[in-house]
Parts: sequence; C-alpha cells; structure tokens
Amino acid sequence: EVQLVESGGGLVQPGGSLRLSCAASGFTFSSYAMHWVRQAPGKGLEYVSAISSNGGSTYYANSVKGRFTISRDNSKNTLYLQMGSLRAEDMAVYYCARAPDPHYGDYGGDYFDYWGQGTLVTVSS
Amino acid sequence: SYELTQPLSVSVALGQTARITCGGNNIGSKNVHWYQQKPGQAPVLVIYRDSNRPSGIPERFSGSNSGNTATLTISRAQAGDEADYYCQVWDSSTSYVFGTGTKVTVL
Repeated sequence: EVQLVESGGGLVQPGGSLRLSCAASGFTFSSYAMHWVRQAPGKGLEYVSAISSNGGSTYYANSVKGRFTISRDNSKNTLYLQMGSLRAEDMAVYYCARAPDPHYGDYGGDYFDYWGQGTLVTVSS
Repeated sequence: SYELTQPLSVSVALGQTARITCGGNNIGSKNVHWYQQKPGQAPVLVIYRDSNRPSGIPERFSGSNSGNTATLTISRAQAGDEADYYCQVWDSSTSYVFGTGTKVTVL
C-alpha cells in the first residue's frame, strides 16, 4: 500500500525558515518523481514544486522560486521541502504527492495518483 | 497563464446525477484530471486523463472533455459523495494548474 506521511509543519515567524519532510513507503520511491502542493486555509489547491526521480531536475512555481528548495534522499525514501523567507501567504497545508508514471518525462506525468495527509505551516508573529 | 473555472457549488438530490464543469481555453486539447477532497482530508484522484477511473473508484464517477469544457459526472449520488472537487491540467506555460474547486452538496 502506497503511503506518504508529511511532517515538519508548525508555527514560524515571517521571514523564518522551515523544512518539511515526506516519508514514503509501499513503492519503489527512487523510481518516481515527487511533488509538493499546498492549500491555504479555506482555499483551493496550489502547485508548489517538483523533483525528478533521481533529484537531477527540479521545478518551482513562481510564487516560491528562490525561497523554497525541493530535495530528496532516495536512501531514506524521503522527500523534503526547505522553505525560507516565509510570508503570510505561504501559510497552508502542504501535501506531498506522487506522480504516476516513472517513464513520463522528468516529472512523472501530468497528474498525481497518491497524496499524503498534509502538514500545516502557520506563518505568524 | 492558463486558468480553470469551476462553479462554486453544485447541489444534487440523493440518487440523482451531479455534473461539475471545468472551463478553460481549448481544454479539450488537454488531459483533465479530477480530485475529490472531503473536509480535513487529502485530495483523492477520481478521474485521470479525461475519463479514466483509478482502481477503487466507483463506476458512478465518469468524465468527459471537449471544446472549452470538461465535465465530471456523478451518477446515483450518495451522501458520501459530498466533498470539494477540483479539476487539474498540465499546461506548457503554467505547469500544473488546478481549478477553483466546486463544493458538492447531496440533498
């Protein structure tokens, strides 16, 4: 059974940093591209970032480019999102999600087949 | 940038059919995917590539896509179908794009 479990969320002051983790199990993690998607309280889904299966390619939405860094450790089956220069508008539940197809380009396809339960990031002074 | 527009809410009587639209410029030329999100839970994929159902998703869920509108249809609606539904596409200029979301209420 595919499982994705996020952790690392919490309260951080504006301008601060936080690192999110996503522990994967139930599939060959190193074969799949992974993504982060966020959802502000009461709002819709917003795409954040992607990383290829070997970590060699990364993509960021304009809203986080230069402030967030996606990475992965395939030996630990874990995906990360290092967030810096946090703003009030970054406050959201952050979900990690798996791309469905290991053979479809750098980022594994055009949709997400499994999602974690999410971790809440609160940005407030 | 590419945008997807959904109705804010859709109501459906128990056992009847709900149709949720997703509008976008020439969306018929793109693959459209649909997610169901219940309160406090993560999104769940219910339709991928316009009309395909993942394993475990009831046949009551179906999808279509043509012209400027994609549609998710929920047949024989059940109380358990109450949720927010999001459409999503990949666009070459905008990358992964989500619709605005539709709240489905089963009466």
